[in-house]
Amino acid sequence: DGGITQSPKYLFRKEGQNVTLSCEQNLNHDAMYWYRQDPGQGLRLIYYSQIVNDFQKGDIAEGYSVSREKKESFPLTVTSAQKNPTAFYLCASRDYRDTNQPQHFGDGTRLSIL
Amino acid sequence: GQQLNQSPQSMFIQEGEDVSMNCTSSSIFNTWLWYKQDPGEGPVLLIALYKAGELTSNGRLTAQFGITRKDSFLNISASIPSDVGIYFCAGRSSGSARQLTFGSGTQLTVLP
Repeated sequence: DGGITQSPKYLFRKEGQNVTLSCEQNLNHDAMYWYRQDPGQGLRLIYYSQIVNDFQKGDIAEGYSVSREKKESFPLTVTSAQKNPTAFYLCASRDYRDTNQPQHFGDGTRLSIL
Repeated sequence: GQQLNQSPQSMFIQEGEDVSMNCTSSSIFNTWLWYKQDPGEGPVLLIALYKAGELTSNGRLTAQFGITRKDSFLNISASIPSDVGIYFCAGRSSGSARQLTFGSGTQLTVLP
């Protein structure tokens, strides 16, 4: 089945560590997105990519990094510079060529600090 | 930046009741989307609206794209226990891959 796969479902990080969250999609979508969700809040955009080898900062990019080496994959690294990384992280993708296409989401990764 | 105000923040209703929630924006959107999120899961698209004044139904759900392009509402009729979850509105401006702005969500609880 086509879809967006995020892994792992739960992730724990020690202070000072970098961790990488995986997002893979087999929907042939050009655009991919990373959001952060905190309790009682809406989704905030971290980074997005419209095409391979290109990505743009969102509203809260500090302390995060991404890469887009393949169309199917858009991994997010939470660096040690992100001082409050505990959150639920959601990856999404969209067919950018069709302006009417909505974003579709993966099932998320919950990151916690040990 | 763009602001989306979603209300109410939470709702407690009896099973069988109808529900209404809405979003208002400080700027014009060309697309309104409504998503539902279950605990520990990603949001799932319920309804997409692309034209001002458009009224679209999906089963017991009905959503409308406001004439001013700055608001949208979602109605759920005859609520059932599985309607429990967080409902998000999202709006997108024209010509941009990134400009999907999300409301803060409405937490719906359905009491038996």
